[in-house]
Amino acid sequence: KAGVTQTPRYLIKTRGQQVTLSCSPISGHRSVSWYQQTPGQGLQFLFEYFSETQRNKGNFPGRFSGRQFSNSRSEMNVSTLELGDSALYLCASSPSGGGSSYEQYFGPGTRLTVT
Amino acid sequence: AQSVAQPEDQVNVAEGNPLTVKCTYSVSGNPYLFWYVQYPNRGLQFLLKYITGDNLVKGSYGFEAEFNKSQTSFHLKKPSALVSDSALYFCAVRGDTGFQKLVFGTGTRLLVSP
Repeated sequence: KAGVTQTPRYLIKTRGQQVTLSCSPISGHRSVSWYQQTPGQGLQFLFEYFSETQRNKGNFPGRFSGRQFSNSRSEMNVSTLELGDSALYLCASSPSGGGSSYEQYFGPGTRLTVT
Repeated sequence: AQSVAQPEDQVNVAEGNPLTVKCTYSVSGNPYLFWYVQYPNRGLQFLLKYITGDNLVKGSYGFEAEFNKSQTSFHLKKPSALVSDSALYFCAVRGDTGFQKLVFGTGTRLLVSP
């Protein structure tokens, strides 16, 4: 089976712009979670989608949003970019999700740099 | 709310020696516990998990972890470290009730010297 794929792998944006990141989960996985990883804050949970519904949300401002399509592919959007949004954004998929015993499988991440 | 503590930012060990990376947790309900490893410029890779049953869980690359309910700990161990084990290790927990999210610790960097 192909693993979790994320596009693009690298992105450079300017403050104030918006960005859309894409994640394709492992075939058959219905849950997709997004995380932000920075050296100072570690791995911070953004949100989780299951069958096109947001099931969990982390403590991020409304500038961060996401969605999931019927084929389980997911996108996250960050509007009005700030310098502090520079991070590695990781997507993870699993067969189920919140409350389940399934492990998550991570993609390679998208490295976002905001200048 | 769930939480995970990894008290050591870095663990140093010589190749061939045993290693331990510590993790304690807090969760509502029974815990599902996970260990992940991250190599530079890569995503996280799943190592092992505890769901129920035996307190000693064996995983990939010779790693194992011991679940201790009374101490709310889930320490990662390996009998003999390799230089190639040098990486960033994350412990994570999720409760078994409702739609609880997976919560990660801050990570522990393992450095194995030749």
